[in-house]
Order: sequence, then C-alpha cells, then structure tokens
Amino acid sequence: GAVVSQHPSRVICKSGTSVKIECRSLDFQATTMFWYRQFPKQSLMLMATSNEGSKATYEQGVEKDKFLINHASLTLSTLTVTSAHPEDSSFYICSARDASGGVNEQFFGPGTRLTVL
Amino acid sequence: GENVEQHPSTLSVQEGDSAVIKCTYSDSASNYFPWYKQELGKRPQLIIDIRSNVGEKKDQRIAVTLNKTAKHFSLHITETQPEDSAVYFCAAYSNYQLIWGAGTKLIIKP
Repeated sequence: GAVVSQHPSRVICKSGTSVKIECRSLDFQATTMFWYRQFPKQSLMLMATSNEGSKATYEQGVEKDKFLINHASLTLSTLTVTSAHPEDSSFYICSARDASGGVNEQFFGPGTRLTVL
Repeated sequence: GENVEQHPSTLSVQEGDSAVIKCTYSDSASNYFPWYKQELGKRPQLIIDIRSNVGEKKDQRIAVTLNKTAKHFSLHITETQPEDSAVYFCAAYSNYQLIWGAGTKLIIKP
C-alpha cells in the first residue's frame, strides 16, 4: 500500500515554543491530507483538512492561528503548533488520500508524540 | 452531519473465541466503511473495508457485514489470537472525510 511518513516521531519542547510536524506521501500524490489529534484512550479527532494549493479547512473548535497548516506540494503538508502549551501535548497523526487511487481510502503516517513541558 | 457510534468500548474474549464489534451511522449517503486496528502508540492500520453496494466481505479470520437499511456494520474476528489485542475503530465516509467511532479495546485472554 501507499506509504506516508511523518517527522519527527517524537518531540519534547518548552512551553511557548513552536513545533513543526511534516507529513509526506512517499510514493503517491496526495491532493488532500488530514491532520488528527489523539489523546490517550480516545478516538482520532480530525483537526483540519489540507488541500494542496489552498487554505486548510479547520474543524469547529480548532484554532487556525494556533495550528498552522501548509500544503505546498502534492507530497508534503506541515502542521505548526505555535506557542505550544502543556494542553497541546498529544499524539498528532496525518493521513493522505491518493489522488489517483480509490477515492475513499486514507493512508496514515506513523504519528508524532508531542510533549510540552 | 454524520455520527458514528461504536460498541462495546471494551471487549474481552478467550483466545480462540470470536469477537464482534458493532457500529451504527446516521448519514444514509455514507458509502464507505473501513475498520482500523491501532496498537498502542502506533498509527491506525486498515484491516478491512466495505462499500455500500456490498453486504459482506471476508478476509481470512476477519469479516465485515453491512446493513444499509438499519445503518449498521459489524466487524467479526474468528479464532482470536493474542496479536489481535488492540484498539479497533470503525469509520464512515461522509462529506469527503472519515467520521470515526470511539473505538473498542479488544483484550484476548490466554
């Protein structure tokens, strides 16, 4: 199946700093990428949908100025958590939809564990 | 919008027995229903999916059934093994995105 990478896999930062997470589709083009957040023992929560070349669509309750998303190419989307605080500590997972394949299936990255001290 | 409910939240079965996880959805326009398995700290992995024009699909020990009229779909795992222990999520595709169930923690007792 299609491969999605995510970097970094784990990051620990001080409160107030910004953290950038990269999501790459390695062997396919992804016109749409999704960013999820998952707290312990909970389901995946969709934060935003990222479309190549256009502004991301954020879910209700997700601050677009705090979670900056850039999808500048068909293989790369980035999520920047600005001025991170301890409550932002979570598991962030991206997924990508293959533009050429089945319209529905999403391929997930390995996730990024963010810990804000 | 779409709402997906998943039951049970925790399921404990004896190794070798079968496990069944059920989900219901609300949007009759949903047409794709994947099931994901997620191990602790790892990404969700697609284990099986079904489209709305099919009533049942099977892949070795795993099967999924879909009842469009009742708007529910179920995951069936037979001959459970220790490596089946994980959290399982159902999802429904609606309005260009996946709507997720809350997850079921499956525990396989030796």
